[in-house]
Amino acid sequence: ETGVTQSPTHLIKTRGQQVTLRCSSQSGHNTVSWYQQALGQGPQFIFQYYREEENGRGNFPPRFSGLQFPNYSSELNVNALELDDSALYLCASSLVVSGYNEQFFGPGTRLTVL
Amino acid sequence: DQQVKQNSPSLSVQEGRISILNCDYTNSMFDYFLWYKKYPAEGPTSLISISSIKDKNEDGRFTVFLNKSAKHLSLHIVPSQPGDSAVYFCAASAVTQGGSEKLVFGKGTKLTVNP
Repeated sequence: ETGVTQSPTHLIKTRGQQVTLRCSSQSGHNTVSWYQQALGQGPQFIFQYYREEENGRGNFPPRFSGLQFPNYSSELNVNALELDDSALYLCASSLVVSGYNEQFFGPGTRLTVL
Repeated sequence: DQQVKQNSPSLSVQEGRISILNCDYTNSMFDYFLWYKKYPAEGPTSLISISSIKDKNEDGRFTVFLNKSAKHLSLHIVPSQPGDSAVYFCAASAVTQGGSEKLVFGKGTKLTVNP
């Protein structure tokens, strides 16, 4: 069973640029969530995708957008990068059945905005 | 507004002793709580969890206690081992307006177990 993978591992961008981060879900999982972890903070929920549709969003502006593909891989896109977007971006996949659905995290992508 | 709080940024204990990590929350609608462990350069991994209908869950050396009236949970590790050294996040499960399930995390406590 393959775990959650993310690419790239590290990324450096400049303010105003756009970035795309990628996530490959754990085999059989149909839901993916993205989190932002700023330095010294806990992960913060950005949004969740279920069967290719966004079905929940945290307190993040529209320049944060995402996609989920039929094979359940996912992308996080951030437009007009700001210095405060520098963070570790984590994706987590889960299989939504019933009750609590455990989320399995990838290792993250470290984004630095200069 | 931080709904999940871990007030101790760090904790240092001797190998073989008990480690107690604490977490407070404010939202009474949380129905499931988890402790995640995170090593550098790795994603968080779920360590132990507890439903809001229980007050204790045990898994080997790890026990989580939930006090709903105080909105407080704690993680006990007995005996502590050097391999337990990591950052521990307290998390609560909440439902978004869209009906999805999201995790609300505390800021984490860095545990160091000294040999």
